[in-house]
Amino acid sequence: GIQVEQSPPDLILQEGANSTLRCNFSDSVNNLQWFHQNPWGQLINLFYIPSGTKQNGRLSATTVATERYSLLYISSSQTTDSGVYFCAVEQGGANSKLTFGKGITLSVRP
Amino acid sequence: DAGVIQSPRHEVTEMGQEVTLRCKPISGHNSLFWYRQTMMRGLELLIYFNNNVPIDDSGMPEDRFSAKMPNASFSTLKIQPSEPRDSAVYFCASSIRDRVGYEQYFGPGTRLTVT
Repeated sequence: GIQVEQSPPDLILQEGANSTLRCNFSDSVNNLQWFHQNPWGQLINLFYIPSGTKQNGRLSATTVATERYSLLYISSSQTTDSGVYFCAVEQGGANSKLTFGKGITLSVRP
Repeated sequence: DAGVIQSPRHEVTEMGQEVTLRCKPISGHNSLFWYRQTMMRGLELLIYFNNNVPIDDSGMPEDRFSAKMPNASFSTLKIQPSEPRDSAVYFCASSIRDRVGYEQYFGPGTRLTVT
């Protein structure tokens, strides 16, 4: 099956710093999502981005499908950005399903 | 929209008891997924349904686990009998599967503790 690798596995930032989170995948995909799992355990959709670039406030994401990677940018980080960031991909087909990476644990310190 | 609704949010039970987790997907969504998350194994897909039909249950750990979706607005995941190693957070998610790609939305999860 498809492999999803996220890096770095852990990241510690000072509040106000910027960061880039990476997701590499081993085969072509027709669906890619970024999720944020907050410290209370909720899984929140950030982006649905199988290709191209999207922005939502301080967060933006870029997927280069031909090169099989996606990047999540966090600017001016806040303590509320802490948590685990998951990348998930799907290859397509009638009964395909999302494959999740292991996640990136982000800690933003005040 | 209320989002994906799960109940109960927390469940503590004794080994050997039956546990039933419930999920109401987002109205209009036709795919439903059950996941389990633990520190050791991360996020695992247990089973998913398209149009109320189970499509892939290869992630269901053993016969003690069963899932049903009697209609488009309700699904259950049952564990009978429960064991301490079943302790985890169980998530339900839903999506619209009417095109090649889809966006999946998660419920708040049920934290299960089996003592």
